[in-house]
Amino acid sequence: NAGVTQTPKFQVLKTGQSMTLQCAQDMNHEYMSWYRQDPGMGLRLIHYSVGAGITDQGEVPNGYNVSRSTTEDFPLRLLSAAPSQTSVYFCASSTSGTTGELFFGEGSRLTVL
Amino acid sequence: DAKTTQPNSMESNEEEPVHLPCNHSTISGTDYIHWYRQLPSQGPEYVIHGLTSNVNNRMASLAIAEDRKSSTLILHRATLRDAAVYYCILREPFYNNNDMRFGAGTRLTVKP
Repeated sequence: NAGVTQTPKFQVLKTGQSMTLQCAQDMNHEYMSWYRQDPGMGLRLIHYSVGAGITDQGEVPNGYNVSRSTTEDFPLRLLSAAPSQTSVYFCASSTSGTTGELFFGEGSRLTVL
Repeated sequence: DAKTTQPNSMESNEEEPVHLPCNHSTISGTDYIHWYRQLPSQGPEYVIHGLTSNVNNRMASLAIAEDRKSSTLILHRATLRDAAVYYCILREPFYNNNDMRFGAGTRLTVKP
């Protein structure tokens, strides 16, 4: 059972570079989301999607883009990386509705120099 | 968005029960109460969820106040492996935001 798969697990970028964090799930979940977690802090919601073709902003969307062309994939794009985006990024998925359990990927650790 | 309030940290002794509180005074009638925990260096994992009635599963129990403005996650016998950050989250229905915002959570320390 693959569940939620994130790639890459580690990445180092220079300021101004762009990159895409990949997230894929094989559970046919409608809902997918991206979080960032800074050291010693809780998770903050970046963007989320309730189905293919639908995305919405979370708490901290600036500097990030998402798209949802398929049910399985929800990539997160950093347009022009900044040191403030150094963080651990988690992707999660669930069934939609109020009772769905969120399944998390293992996280992607991003360092921006 | 309905918000939750949790203590920053709590301590417990091993093999004793732990009651982790959460206040959600602005909860609406259709919001579910979810609890997750995050072990060190791992992603969060689901613990339990409920609407109105108390809920039990193999990991924990969830006690929900009659007015639903607060809830308590109960670990019946804390182990060292239960040391984690515990998050209380409200999830709105699909026709509202339906997103899940974690907040800072409660850091539980379990002493041997």
